[in-house]
Amino acid sequence: AQSVAQPEDQVNVAEGNPLTVKCTYSVSGNPYLFWYVQYPNRGLQFLLKYITGDNLVKGSYGFEAEFNKSQTSFHLKKPSALVSDSALYFCAVRAPGGNTGKLIFGQGTTLQVKP
Amino acid sequence: SQTIHQWPATLVQPVGSPLSLECTVEGTSNPNLYWYRQAAGRGLQLLFYSVGIGQISSEVPQNLSASRPQDRQFILSSKKLLLSDSGFYLCAWSVSGRGMQQYFGPGTRLTVT
Repeated sequence: AQSVAQPEDQVNVAEGNPLTVKCTYSVSGNPYLFWYVQYPNRGLQFLLKYITGDNLVKGSYGFEAEFNKSQTSFHLKKPSALVSDSALYFCAVRAPGGNTGKLIFGQGTTLQVKP
Repeated sequence: SQTIHQWPATLVQPVGSPLSLECTVEGTSNPNLYWYRQAAGRGLQLLFYSVGIGQISSEVPQNLSASRPQDRQFILSSKKLLLSDSGFYLCAWSVSGRGMQQYFGPGTRLTVT
């Protein structure tokens, strides 16, 4: 069964430092992986996705993610964190079966960037 | 460009009252549509999805129902609300096809009192 795990409830980082938000996945077949960000009382915003190709995927707001097949991971990264990056981050994997487009989401990781 | 709307933004309803939340998408045709609930600002629970008009799939048994009367309209309903129905309700859409991301609406905050 497809699943995704975000092992950290919260990540704290100082402004200007690099950040990593971890995600591991379990899929049968080719993984389609996604990252979203959610600000308080707002909908989720799409950041980036991995479908195929280059293992390093670049997305919005300077974020990137590295697909690692051997470690079944898809960690979100940013070289220099901003206070405005503080939000809730979700990793997701495409659910199996057909073209329903269903996604399976992790439980989310709160990123706190301190000035 | 495509946009997704949800209303109302905020709703306070008493236990036992009916519910109707509406979601509409503009700028695309035949989207896949989804309703999620997010409790306590955390994980997302997929409630319903639809791949076409009148086609609704329920993910979890519950006090809610969904309908899709038009191609780009998705409605979440309840005949009698429970306290446990409180939460943040999110609508999303995607185009058909593998690897396509979902786009989310702004959400509705429902408080059942």
